[in-house]
Amino acid sequence: EPEVTQTPSHQVTQMGQEVILRCVPISNHLYFYWYRQILGQKVEFLVSFYNNEISEKSEIFDDQFSVERPDGSNFTLKIRSTKLEDSAMYFCASKLVAASTDTQYFGPGTRLTVL
Amino acid sequence: KQEVTQIPAALSVPEGENLVLNCSFTDSAIYNLQWFRQDPGKGLTSLLLIQSSQREQTSGRLNASLDKSSGRSTLYIAASQPGDSATYLCALEDTGGFKTIFGAGTRLFVKA
Repeated sequence: EPEVTQTPSHQVTQMGQEVILRCVPISNHLYFYWYRQILGQKVEFLVSFYNNEISEKSEIFDDQFSVERPDGSNFTLKIRSTKLEDSAMYFCASKLVAASTDTQYFGPGTRLTVL
Repeated sequence: KQEVTQIPAALSVPEGENLVLNCSFTDSAIYNLQWFRQDPGKGLTSLLLIQSSQREQTSGRLNASLDKSSGRSTLYIAASQPGDSATYLCALEDTGGFKTIFGAGTRLFVKA
């Protein structure tokens, strides 16, 4: 069964460094999402992406964050100048179409630790 | 602004018991409502999706209902098993499906 994959599974970085989290969505899916989950807290929506542009973003997704689909398979989340509070699990998800009947498929997540 | 609340926050039941998890939301203008399962340290698995126009969905021992007028959804789990132990998340997609808001989840523990 097709699945969303994410790399790395765990990323440790120093405060102030830039990180890129990578996702490979399901191959024929058209809609892509990033979420984060701080330990012990809710899953929070960050951004949705369709047709090579951002469809929607939350107030969390400020200038520190950017997303890109650099080729036909990868979907990346870049976090510039990381802060301690960016430590969280980051989930990528993809969806075939925007229909209300269609579910999002989630990757296993990347645990980001900022020291 | 959509707010999603899940009650209870945690639940411990003996194996074989039927149980109900609750989700409430403040804005009835939703695209769909989904119930997800999250195992510790893992990603999210979709269990059931209810479209805005639907009232319920069933899959095996799971039944989810949706009442938009009251802003509520329930997830009913029949004959619970230890393997059902996980966190159950309620999530609402807004119109267009571009943004999803999650509840904090109910952590379920089923004792053998």
